[in-house]
Amino acid sequence: QKEVEQNSGPLSVPEGAIASLNCTYSDRGSQSFFWYRQYSGKSPELIMFIYSNGDKEDGRFTAQLNKASQYVSLLIRDSQPSDSATYLCAVYDMRFGAGTRLTVKP
Amino acid sequence: DTGVSQNPRHKITKRGQNVTFRCDPISEHNRLYWYRQTLGQGPEFLTYFQNEAQLEKSRLLSDRFSAERPKGSFSTLEIQRTEQGDSAMYLCASSPVGGKDTQYFGPGTRLTVL
Repeated sequence: QKEVEQNSGPLSVPEGAIASLNCTYSDRGSQSFFWYRQYSGKSPELIMFIYSNGDKEDGRFTAQLNKASQYVSLLIRDSQPSDSATYLCAVYDMRFGAGTRLTVKP
Repeated sequence: DTGVSQNPRHKITKRGQNVTFRCDPISEHNRLYWYRQTLGQGPEFLTYFQNEAQLEKSRLLSDRFSAERPKGSFSTLEIQRTEQGDSAMYLCASSPVGGKDTQYFGPGTRLTVL
């Protein structure tokens, strides 16, 4: 059974802090990885995707991939209250984790 | 670009009835995906189309679920003989040619089976 696992949270960080969201996956054949943000009552929206080991940065967001450890993470720098949402990790074959709920407190 | 649209937005039905949902993808997006999402869970992939071809359907939840995209534009998802466990949000997404990794989700259809 191919699995994508996330800590369901909730994760709470103060405004301006770094939020770190983690995801592990079981399928070693996975080649591409995605982070989605889903606000309450809304649909998921793609934040970033990453294919290669290492880091990929886009504004305040950094995705980190370690294929050997089957681990992908999302860092959000200078967290804002508007970042409060559920963050979903997904792999190449459209398998999603259950999501981590992030709350950024002013 | 008006985004992915789904109709209806809400559907209440009685157990045993058939329901059909429609998804209109972003214009010229050739891939279309269907997902189911229940409370507290991530989207669960059901099926996808590239143009009119259904390329993956092994993850449809049961033979009561079927999908079509006859002309490669809009798609329909049908659930026959609905059960209370089918109550969920049904999401559609589309992605453009050459951008298959960038999926744009619609607002979803919330199904309640009484």
